Amino acid sequence: EIVLTQSPDTLSLSPGERATLSCRASQSVDNYLAWFRQRPGQPPSLLVYDTSKRATGVPARFAGSGSGTDYTLTITNLEPEDSAIYYCQQRNLWPRTFGQGTRVEVK
Amino acid sequence: QVQVQESGPGLVHPSETLSLTCNVAGGSISESQFWGWIRQPPGGGLEWIASIYSGGNKFYHPSVKGRATISQDRSKNQISLRLTSLTASDTAIYFCAGSWMNWFAPWGHGTRVTVS
Repeated sequence: EIVLTQSPDTLSLSPGERATLSCRASQSVDNYLAWFRQRPGQPPSLLVYDTSKRATGVPARFAGSGSGTDYTLTITNLEPEDSAIYYCQQRNLWPRTFGQGTRVEVK
Repeated sequence: QVQVQESGPGLVHPSETLSLTCNVAGGSISESQFWGWIRQPPGGGLEWIASIYSGGNKFYHPSVKGRATISQDRSKNQISLRLTSLTASDTAIYFCAGSWMNWFAPWGHGTRVTVS
C-alpha cells in the first residue's frame, strides 16, 4: 500500500498570503496524484488532478506540482473561503490511498 | 450536472450487514468509467473502500476485502455497497463518487452510519 504523508498538519495564514502544502508518497506515484478540498460539513471536491491539471472551475490560484514521490499544492492570494482540509490521493496502485489531510485556516 | 445521493440505515448493530445505495441523477452511471465508495470516520480522514468499473471489474481495500461487495444496477441507475460483519470501526460517513478524468468526482454528500 502506498502511504501518503501530508505536511504540515495545520497551516494558519492571513488573507492574501501563500499556502504551500506537501504530499510525500512512500513510493513513486508516477504523477497520478490529485488534491481534494473538503470544507466543513461538505463532501470533498476535486481541485487538481494528474499532479498539475486544475479541475473545471478551479481558479488559477491553485497550482499543483511535483514528481516521483514529492508533490505540492500551492494556493496563492489566500481567501477566507479557502479555509478547509486538503487531501492528496494517488491512483497509481491499488489500493487507492489518501493522505491524512492538511487543515488550512485563513483569518 | 450529475447529482449523487447516498442512502442507508443510519444505525446498525455489531455483526450485522450494512446495505448502502447510491442514486445517480442527471446522467447514466454508465457514463462514468468507474464508481467508488469512500468513507470518513468521525473526525478522521478519507479511506477508499471499493470501486466498480463500467465493464464490471471490482476492486476492494484489503481492510474490507471478503466483507464488502460493490455492485451496479443500470436499470435503476444505482451503485450499491454491502458490508458484512460490522464492528464499531465501520462507523463513518460513507461517500459515493463517480469518476471524471479517472478521479473521484462528483461526490455525494454522504450517508452517516453508526455501528452500535
